[in-house]
Amino acid sequence: NFMLTQPHSVSESPGKTVTISCTRSSGSVASNYVQWYQQRPGSAPTTVIYEDNRRPSGVPDRFSGSIDTSSNSASLTISGLKTEDEADYYCQSWDTDVPYVFGAGTKVTVL
Amino acid sequence: EVQLAESGGGLVQPGGSLRLSCAVSGFTFSRYSLNWVRQAPGKGLEWVSYISGSGTTIYYADSVKGRFTISRDNAKNSLYLQMNSLRDEDTAVYYCARDGGVGYYAIDVWGQGTTVTVSS
Repeated sequence: NFMLTQPHSVSESPGKTVTISCTRSSGSVASNYVQWYQQRPGSAPTTVIYEDNRRPSGVPDRFSGSIDTSSNSASLTISGLKTEDEADYYCQSWDTDVPYVFGAGTKVTVL
Repeated sequence: EVQLAESGGGLVQPGGSLRLSCAVSGFTFSRYSLNWVRQAPGKGLEWVSYISGSGTTIYYADSVKGRFTISRDNAKNSLYLQMNSLRDEDTAVYYCARDGGVGYYAIDVWGQGTTVTVSS
């Protein structure tokens, strides 16, 4: 099985941009879609990005996703940071043997 | 509106059993695969188990294989997780989650979770 590695935390001021990386340990990141979930304190997770870079309805376009095959990683970028974006963010992908692999999560702090 | 509502959590002693339920509404239940995902206190998300819409395909995480059993009743729009031989490390919030991927695995709807505490 592979692992997804995320930074433990990132922080930035309101209005700025943050990018969270998610590096796949083995196998190509391009082989299986990557999803991103947001979990605000005390709440259940919600989906902010699916299929690498698609946003569910209702998710603002300040959230964007991408993959980079050279670093075998996916990224979630939040632009125009707002206080409401303060949350934990988890990347997720899959393989033929394991339907769900989650990263350990990244805490985003809005300073 | 799509809703997933978990129930059945509580306090149980190590070695004990518990059965979680997830009542679903707002979509055609039998057309979707479902999952249980858990989150230990202060920790990240951990996938636990998956069941296809028909119930014929089932997967488990290694950490629960042989102890937990996932099932569904399409007539009752309900998902279940039978948890046996519970351990301290099974203490977590357990989420019921719908698989929304077409040809791949991705959660598109989450329940609010039910808390399981394993302690003597």
